[in-house]
Amino acid sequence: QKEVEQDPGPLSVPEGAIVSLNCTYSNSAFQYFMWYRQYSRKGPELLMYTYSSGNKEDGRFTAQVDKSSKYISLFIRDSQPSDSATYLCAMGMDTGRRALTFGSGTRLQVQP
Amino acid sequence: EAQVTQNPRYLITVTGKKLTVTCSQNMNHEYMSWYRQDPGLGLRQIYYSMNVEVTDKGDVPEGYKVSRKEKRNFPLILESPSPNQTSLYFCASRLGDRYEQYFGPGTRLTVT
Repeated sequence: QKEVEQDPGPLSVPEGAIVSLNCTYSNSAFQYFMWYRQYSRKGPELLMYTYSSGNKEDGRFTAQVDKSSKYISLFIRDSQPSDSATYLCAMGMDTGRRALTFGSGTRLQVQP
Repeated sequence: EAQVTQNPRYLITVTGKKLTVTCSQNMNHEYMSWYRQDPGLGLRQIYYSMNVEVTDKGDVPEGYKVSRKEKRNFPLILESPSPNQTSLYFCASRLGDRYEQYFGPGTRLTVT
């Protein structure tokens, strides 16, 4: 079993839809959680960062962390064709190395 | 502009021919690392460096070498590449006491 599970998609939605992307994890020691967006032929770009449980909002994006369920989500409101990309969740422990463990990514397509 | 750069972006080589992929960052970050990205496996860390002359193995270090002689540069060396090292490689950096990592644009390597 992978430490971080993420549905690979593809997830196809119409423009303007609310998108929900999710990851589950097994390691209860994970303390910080991130979402990266990766466009085709580009490097991952940091989108959201959350430490421990709770919600964080940034414009059309909301990240949620539920540590009791070992479940994190990214919501995208009013989705746009420019949101079409692969979304990677990443998480890490509060140790010196602070290595990130990544999900395999969910490919999102927003249809105009 | 704050960025991580990698060269080359694309590389096709043959088994056993030594190669080096360069990585440079202009953000004065202490921490740098190399990842490989393979379909269905997500991003996996190869090596990381906490600072100049300090390097250590990540999750998949076999067949790779690194060096950190200057703060801004962190080259990845494949002394005898094999076909199973065909992958998409990313360099990343972060400030020493932060969690968020910033990625370069990627190097697509094919070993025949």
